[in-house]
Amino acid sequence: EAQVTQNPRYLITVTGKKLTVTCSQNMNHEYMSWYRQDPGLGLRQIYYSMNVEVTDKGDVPEGYKVSRKEKRNFPLILESPSPNQTSLYFCASGPRPTSEAFFGQGTRLTVV
Amino acid sequence: QKEVEQNSGPLSVPEGAIASLNCTYSDRGSQSFFWYRQYSGKSPELIMSIYSNGDKEDGRFTAQLNKASQYVSLLIRDSQPSDSATYLCAVNAERISSGSARQLTFGSGTQLTVLP
Repeated sequence: EAQVTQNPRYLITVTGKKLTVTCSQNMNHEYMSWYRQDPGLGLRQIYYSMNVEVTDKGDVPEGYKVSRKEKRNFPLILESPSPNQTSLYFCASGPRPTSEAFFGQGTRLTVV
Repeated sequence: QKEVEQNSGPLSVPEGAIASLNCTYSDRGSQSFFWYRQYSGKSPELIMSIYSNGDKEDGRFTAQLNKASQYVSLLIRDSQPSDSATYLCAVNAERISSGSARQLTFGSGTQLTVLP
């Protein structure tokens, strides 16, 4: 089944404790992207990747890191999480940056 | 000016009515347009895509595109309570944050409630 898989689905952590949210797609898509979604603010892009080893900042990159060492994986790293990073996170992939995007199930992160 | 704009709603319609959702975009070079449905706490799900001016129908859904007016809409006929969700418009647009690289850009969504 073609899909984008995120893990974990839910995470509660403490301020400053490094964490990684994984994202994997099995559709051989070149383009991958991370978003956060907060009430009233819609989807805001954090980072995106046009291809392996090609990543760039989106609208709200502060406090986040990403890597794209393999085509299928695009992990999101929070080196020192803070409470203002409490949010619902989505990973998405697509054949091209301008084509339709397919979303993972989402990760609800709470930083206390 | 936002790259993709939608009325946030909420929009309420009675069951069986037509729900009309609207979206405007700023990049005249945009070529592909999508509508996503998102239930509360769930991930966005693609429901329609449109690339040419005019109407495109799929079941109870009709997408309408007018590139001259930079306007795309989604009509939902015979609305059902199960259609209650947030609808996101997405447009292939140049993005200032990515140095004008063209990417799928999302509006903030319109919340639709279908009343039984």
